[in-house]
Amino acid sequence: EAGVTQFPSHSVIEKGQTVTLRCDPISGHDNLYWYRRVMGKEIKFLLHFVKESKQDESGMPNNRFLAERTGGTYSTLKVQPAELEDSGVYFCASSQESLTSGSEQFFGPGTRLTVL
Amino acid sequence: GIQVEQSPPDLILQEGANSTLRCNFSDSVNNLQWFHQNPWGQLINLFYIPSGTKQNGRLSATTVATERYSLLYISSSQTTDSGVYFCAVCSFSGGYNKLIFGAGTRLAVHP
Repeated sequence: EAGVTQFPSHSVIEKGQTVTLRCDPISGHDNLYWYRRVMGKEIKFLLHFVKESKQDESGMPNNRFLAERTGGTYSTLKVQPAELEDSGVYFCASSQESLTSGSEQFFGPGTRLTVL
Repeated sequence: GIQVEQSPPDLILQEGANSTLRCNFSDSVNNLQWFHQNPWGQLINLFYIPSGTKQNGRLSATTVATERYSLLYISSSQTTDSGVYFCAVCSFSGGYNKLIFGAGTRLAVHP
């Protein structure tokens, strides 16, 4: 069974440009999460989808970030316009049930974003 | 919100040595996971262990939920064990449905 996949693995863009990251969760996992690790700091939650619905987007840093999950399958995270402080590693994760139900979360390999 | 503290922050070992990494958390949890971030940046699931003890090869983990800590044991360490080890928890008492990560323990194993 395929794990969580993310594309691209690495993206280098200039400040002010737009970047779209993609995540494909494990098949059958309704719960999809985005996290990021910036500047070598802690890995921080961004948002949580259940199928196509946003359940919690409390971790989204500002309105330059837009996440979608049309059809409840893959998800995209768009950063527009990108700023220098957005550089970091963006992780996607999925789980079959919610974490509060005791479900294990599985992470993708991450997308390393570098904003110059 | 819940606090997750990992110790030590850095650890240097000679190949073959054993080590214990600790994770303390400030609230009751219903989900605790240990991850290894390898040199390529990938997060590898090690253990899903909200309570009890589990073993997988040279690695084992114990969570004592009532005392709010978890331990990750690495025996006979190898250079491939190098990387950052993260503990992450989910606290249902706060209505959370996301993992809260500790700052990690950076492990370097030298030949």
